[in-house]
Amino acid sequence: TQLLEQSPQFLSIQEGENLTVYCNSSSVFSSLQWYRQEPGEGPVLLVTVVTGGEVKKLKRLTFQFGDARKDSSLHITAAQPGDTGLYLCAGEGSGNTPLVFGKGTRLSVIA
Amino acid sequence: ETGVTQTPRHLVMGMTNKKSLKCEQHLGHNAMYWYKQSAKKPLELMFVYNFKEQTENNSVPSRFSPECPNSSHLFLHLHTLQPEDSALYLCASSQVATKGGYTFGSGTRLTVV
Repeated sequence: TQLLEQSPQFLSIQEGENLTVYCNSSSVFSSLQWYRQEPGEGPVLLVTVVTGGEVKKLKRLTFQFGDARKDSSLHITAAQPGDTGLYLCAGEGSGNTPLVFGKGTRLSVIA
Repeated sequence: ETGVTQTPRHLVMGMTNKKSLKCEQHLGHNAMYWYKQSAKKPLELMFVYNFKEQTENNSVPSRFSPECPNSSHLFLHLHTLQPEDSALYLCASSQVATKGGYTFGSGTRLTVV
């Protein structure tokens, strides 16, 4: 069974601070996705990374896929209250198998 | 209406009741999923349908019964549930083999009393 470990589990920071959350596994994934989920809603896709070492930027969010395609990180620069939410990473194995999700990092950005 | 729509948004049911959750997608996707989200646990995959055919059942108890009448609609029929089945049930859809990610509905918050 492929498992994804996310850290930290909870993070509370002040507006304007930078932060990094991590997603780690002992398994290799063909792709890895990051989602953000707000209270009362379903997860919303932020990015998909496919190539080992790939870096993608989405405004103040930077996503990196590890060289071995076993881990990923999400870095947020100058966090804002609107960034508050549950950040989930999800890995896709080979052969179009369904996504496996981590438990998530719950981020709270205080104004 | 676009995206993935789930109804009802909230449901309270007794352990002897029978109810159904509904999911509808207007994205032209060819795969649909049911996930269970509980506190302190990762999203748990329950069922997968590819082109209306069930391709995965992750050891889900028989008190949960999925139905996929066409590629746009997915149901989850519930009967004789237990209090520990209380959770957020999320439906998602995707286009297989495109790396396009999943589109989730807003979920049904289920409480079993």
